[in-house]
Amino acid sequence: DSGVTQTPKHLITATGQRVTLRCSPRSGDLSVYWYQQSLDQGLQFLIQYYNGEERAKGNILERFSAQQFPDLHSELNLSSLELGDSALYFCASSPGTSAVEQFFGPGTRLTVL
Amino acid sequence: ILNVEQSPQSLHVQEGDSTNFTCSFPSSNFYALHWYRWETAKSPEALFVMTLNGDEKKKGRISATLNTKEGYSYLYIKGSQPEDSATYLCAFTSAGGTSYGKLTFGQGTILTVHP
Repeated sequence: DSGVTQTPKHLITATGQRVTLRCSPRSGDLSVYWYQQSLDQGLQFLIQYYNGEERAKGNILERFSAQQFPDLHSELNLSSLELGDSALYFCASSPGTSAVEQFFGPGTRLTVL
Repeated sequence: ILNVEQSPQSLHVQEGDSTNFTCSFPSSNFYALHWYRWETAKSPEALFVMTLNGDEKKKGRISATLNTKEGYSYLYIKGSQPEDSATYLCAFTSAGGTSYGKLTFGQGTILTVHP
């Protein structure tokens, strides 16, 4: 158990819908990262927040957005969902922003029908 | 676009065999190289983070080396056990930019250790 929690574990929804994935980092960690794992792709970095501020952005679609709240939990919002958004979404956390190990949560499996 | 390549894509070994995999990454703007182990139905777990050319790290039967000048890292497993079966991922962080925590992952090497 990494100490990072993610909810829900599974999510099944329809195209065009909007969903919110939630992540609570390890106690004391200020950075939260979101990754997407699709069937045909490796782990792709989406976005990072550090202490409430956006720190780095990867190949995150405009239909996706994220935020980190004062209690440091983070939410990833996915809207106008398409079939291709079906994937495993991981959240990870680390103490700071430098190249230390990241602790991954159990992931949320999103299925868009 | 940063390319992180891992080889082989998959590997089947017998229990007790020693094995190694390769991770290739851009040699310019290097900041750090990470190795993760990812078991089925679990989340990726960090093995090593290496930042210096010539770094060698060891954790039990698993060790890793780093050559930043030529852009490669090796992961070694000595005396493989069935419980070592997993996908081994490497990830690269480049220098510059706003975050050194942004990881670019390779596709992974799937290791299966047969009893």
